[in-house]
Amino acid sequence: EVQLVESGGGLVQPGRSLRLSCAASGFTFDDYAMHWVRQAPGKGLEWVSGISWNSGSIGYADSVKGRFTISRDNAKNSLYLQMNSLRAEDTALYYCAKGVLGIYAFDIWGQGTMVTVSS
Amino acid sequence: EIVMTQSPATLSVSPGERATLSCRASQSVSSNLAWYQQKPGQAPRLLIYGASTRATGIPARFSGSGSGTEFTLTISSLQSEDFAVYYCQQYNNWPPRPTFGQGTKLEIK
Repeated sequence: EVQLVESGGGLVQPGRSLRLSCAASGFTFDDYAMHWVRQAPGKGLEWVSGISWNSGSIGYADSVKGRFTISRDNAKNSLYLQMNSLRAEDTALYYCAKGVLGIYAFDIWGQGTMVTVSS
Repeated sequence: EIVMTQSPATLSVSPGERATLSCRASQSVSSNLAWYQQKPGQAPRLLIYGASTRATGIPARFSGSGSGTEFTLTISSLQSEDFAVYYCQQYNNWPPRPTFGQGTKLEIK
């Protein structure tokens, strides 16, 4: 079964850091780009960051550029998101998503991990 | 940034009827357009990519059309499980900056 399982979310104070992880199974992880997409409570979807299969191409939304860092470990079938200098507006459910081969659409999603930034 | 605008915000349709959802891009995205379905408490589900290609396992009652700046998702005969929020998403720009529409809530009439 193809599966993505996120972890690492929680309650954090503004300005602090958090690291999210995503464990992949059921597909050849290092064949695909991977992404983080977030959804603030009651709001729509926002692409956060994406990384190519070999980490050679990385992109960020302007809202997180310079604060968030995406990475992957193909040997561990894992995706990560290091989030620094967190702000209240980063509060959201963070989804890990598998890219459709060759395009920036997302065909497999995890159930998400909640990040709450509040003092 | 390419802005995606969906209409209407809410659509009320009876089961068995056809639903037509619209998505407009602020500039041409060619056919680089995807549609997702999201039910309460669930992750989004990819329905359509390439504007008109159904994703694996998606029923034939879902169809997508359009190119450039105007796109449509049609559900030919609504089933009870189709009532949800639908998002369009473009992936045309380079470097990639995928953007989503604000969503259309499809509710039972």
